[in-house]
Amino acid sequence: GDSVTQTEGLVTVTEGLPVMLNCTYQTAYSDVAFFWYVQYLNEAPKLLLRSSTDNKRTEHQGFHATLHKSSSSFHLQKSSVQLSDSALYYCALSDDYNQGKLIFGQGTKLSIKP
Amino acid sequence: GPKVLQIPSHQIIDMGQMVTLNCDPVSNHLYFYWYKQILGQQMEFLVNFYNGKVMEKSKLFKDQFSVERPDGSYFTLKIQPTALEDSAVYFCASSWTGNYAEQFFGPGTRLTVL
Repeated sequence: GDSVTQTEGLVTVTEGLPVMLNCTYQTAYSDVAFFWYVQYLNEAPKLLLRSSTDNKRTEHQGFHATLHKSSSSFHLQKSSVQLSDSALYYCALSDDYNQGKLIFGQGTKLSIKP
Repeated sequence: GPKVLQIPSHQIIDMGQMVTLNCDPVSNHLYFYWYKQILGQQMEFLVNFYNGKVMEKSKLFKDQFSVERPDGSYFTLKIQPTALEDSAVYFCASSWTGNYAEQFFGPGTRLTVL
């Protein structure tokens, strides 16, 4: 079945520096969409980015990601992190057959230090 | 933005008892989901629901689980009877359409089965 793998555990970055959170996937389907959800402490997960187009950069709130089907990746990047970016980040995929079901990675906790 | 509410936020019950988790989805949404997250693990799909029917359920959706949304009220997940391995955070989500649509998540209900 489908699976999503993310950067393990905790990533700590100094404020103002860039960050990349890795996300790779396995799927047998060609018509698939990818998502990054962010969950701040004590809040609900909410959508950060979404893409289903190969090699097209998607941006929102200073974060960006590009789906690369050739390498089965949808890494999340930001050029200059802020303290407020500290949160849990989930990569997920949805394939056409499953009518909206999301397959999540294990999540990566991003901690920004001053 | 649109919010999904979950009631209660925490529930502690004894093994073998029945529990009902309540979700108040976004008002005009048509698709509803439950996800389960055991501590330290990824969120996993349980079930999705559309037009009064279950569309798909995962292997985690045991026979003791049931969902319903009577008369457009709360979308509920009932577990009867509960087991120790049901201890987890349960997230409800809703979306306007099925595939690739943004899912709006609730903050989760933490269920502890003793």
